[in-house]
Amino acid sequence: AQKVTQAQTEISVVEKEDVTLDCVYETRDTTYYLFWYKQPPSGELVFLIRRNSFDEQNEISGRYSWNFQKSTSSFNFTITASQVVDSAVYFCALSEAVPLNNAGNMLTFGGGTRLMVKP
Amino acid sequence: DTAVSQTPKYLVTQMGNDKSIKCEQNLGHDTMYWYKQDSKKFLKIMFSYNNKELIINETVPNRFSPKSPDKAHLNLHINSLELGDSAVYFCASSLRQGRETQYFGPGTRLLVL
Repeated sequence: AQKVTQAQTEISVVEKEDVTLDCVYETRDTTYYLFWYKQPPSGELVFLIRRNSFDEQNEISGRYSWNFQKSTSSFNFTITASQVVDSAVYFCALSEAVPLNNAGNMLTFGGGTRLMVKP
Repeated sequence: DTAVSQTPKYLVTQMGNDKSIKCEQNLGHDTMYWYKQDSKKFLKIMFSYNNKELIINETVPNRFSPKSPDKAHLNLHINSLELGDSAVYFCASSLRQGRETQYFGPGTRLLVL
């Protein structure tokens, strides 16, 4: 069975600090997809990134960067020069790439990491 | 032009009542989902529909019945509401089942008194 662990339940930083959110996953599949979603205080779930298991290149998008390490089953997320608007709960999620027995595309979420950025 | 919309945003009701949550997506996606987020923020899938056909039913009580009148809509009806049903319910959609990114609606906060 798939499992996603976000060991940091809560992180507090001061604005402009860099912060890394950890994500470790378990799956028996060789092909899978990893995601990060942001849930700001307003409550909606905002898609940030999708990465497939064959692409281990790190990705950078503005102040956001993601480090995918298949060897350690980790997909960590770093925010550089954090801002107050980054305060949110961040979820890492895992999906099988191909439905098994027509089981569909089920996202398994980690427990989330609450990031608080103080001014 | 909201991509995935849900109504209502808030729902407060008494135990034992029946209520429905509606979801619509205008992205032209084939697959839609319902997720439940509990008070500890844990997100878990409840149902998945592909082209109006039920694909996933994750051991959800029979009191919960999804209905998909067409590809763009997936409604959730809950009978005999219980205190433990209080949660935030998210609808999501993806282009196809399998490998696609799921886009979420704004959520419906249900409080059962």
